[in-house]
Amino acid sequence: DGGITQSPKYLFRKEGQNVTLSCEQILNHDAMYWYRQDPGQGLRLIYYSQIVNDFQKGDIAEGYSVSREKKESFPLTVTSAQKNPTAFYLCASSIGAGASYEQYFGPGTRLTVT
Amino acid sequence: EDQVTQSPEALRLQEGESSSLNCSYTVSGLRGLFWYRQDPGKGPEFLFTLYSAGEEKEKERLKATLTKKESFLHITAPKPEDSATYLCAVQAGQAAGNKLTFGGGTRVLVKP
Repeated sequence: DGGITQSPKYLFRKEGQNVTLSCEQILNHDAMYWYRQDPGQGLRLIYYSQIVNDFQKGDIAEGYSVSREKKESFPLTVTSAQKNPTAFYLCASSIGAGASYEQYFGPGTRLTVT
Repeated sequence: EDQVTQSPEALRLQEGESSSLNCSYTVSGLRGLFWYRQDPGKGPEFLFTLYSAGEEKEKERLKATLTKKESFLHITAPKPEDSATYLCAVQAGQAAGNKLTFGGGTRVLVKP
């Protein structure tokens, strides 16, 4: 509990603006992930990072960008190119990425774009 | 393509009325199956990992089981605080970066 923080909890933006969501973890985990959750749908993977300065696209990376300059931080930028940005965004981390390690989730950021 | 289907979508129970949630999956070589609990407006909370058919895990009123095609989450004598959405996810043996594929979840409401 509290090992992963996301801020802000709620975010409102106008269409056409880029917005950055914060994710910080104090679990000393190597791997970090960003998911998107829409009503009635399962979580979908946006980007993941197995190690500092490296990240890979997930299933729905278009319109998003990330960076991993520090082990504990994995910010997500939602760009104006993302067609349907309004969603609940979840950050997660795991000890590593090479085995079936469980992923631990942050509290989420709800983004509303109008 | 890996797929996970959860049923039912929603479940209303009376306090004390035991029931089971289903998670059917299609995956190329299962590495792990994960159960999470999610309360409204919050991030998922890890419950269990199952690795092979026949495996069972328990935590309080929850028991998860695994076969080669599906997993069940049994809720025994539920209490109102067990109300939540329960998510199932699988990881394939060749999944890049520990990727999880999630089902749509089952919303459980336990009435006193």
